[in-house]
Amino acid sequence: DTAVSQTPKYLVTQMGNDKSIKCEQNLGHDTMYWYKQDSKKFLKIMFSYNNKELIINETVPNRFSPKSPDKAHLNLHINSLELGDSAVYFCASSQGAGWDETQYFGPGTRLLVL
Amino acid sequence: AQKITQTQPGMFVQEKEAVTLDCTYDTSDQSYGLFWYKQPSSGEMIFLIYQGSYDEQNATEGRYSLNFQKARKSANLVISASQLGDSAMYFCAMSVRGGGFKTIFGAGTRLFVKA
Repeated sequence: DTAVSQTPKYLVTQMGNDKSIKCEQNLGHDTMYWYKQDSKKFLKIMFSYNNKELIINETVPNRFSPKSPDKAHLNLHINSLELGDSAVYFCASSQGAGWDETQYFGPGTRLLVL
Repeated sequence: AQKITQTQPGMFVQEKEAVTLDCTYDTSDQSYGLFWYKQPSSGEMIFLIYQGSYDEQNATEGRYSLNFQKARKSANLVISASQLGDSAMYFCAMSVRGGGFKTIFGAGTRLFVKA
């Protein structure tokens, strides 16, 4: 049983397209996250939701819009894709939003924008 | 501002030997958590070990231990009896109570285990 799952695993698309990445966790956690890992492996938080409420919204283009329909799901929609959006996007979850909470990651979605 | 520094971009270790991966952190907050994650070539992020700022003993999980030196603000990962499967990227990370729920990650250290 996969704890944190993401679909799709790979996404190849043209510039200007709109795409979505889905994330689901079956751990019963209250908090979910989206991270971006660039080509140099640097990992940076993008968004976080706690009990379906947005609690972290880093400086990302507003072309990126997260949506949490329920505590177990956090989706990421990206409009007007650009070359610089090519990266690996990780979803993660934790029991709560505290500083001592361990985050568990999904397998990642490798996005390539052509 | 909070910061995590991993100064070793790459390291080699002989199979069955121990290796230490360095991590230093910077925060003025008294409450914080330190984490290590492993990222093999397959790409997933695997949680290894956690140390809380108030924990007096070093955390251990199997072959992994965290050498926590609070005064020096270091949280080094020690892997004992290295195995070929330990070859991967290793990330140190920190969350602080006053950090707005954010976890920040270091740049990572790539470990190569030689047979």
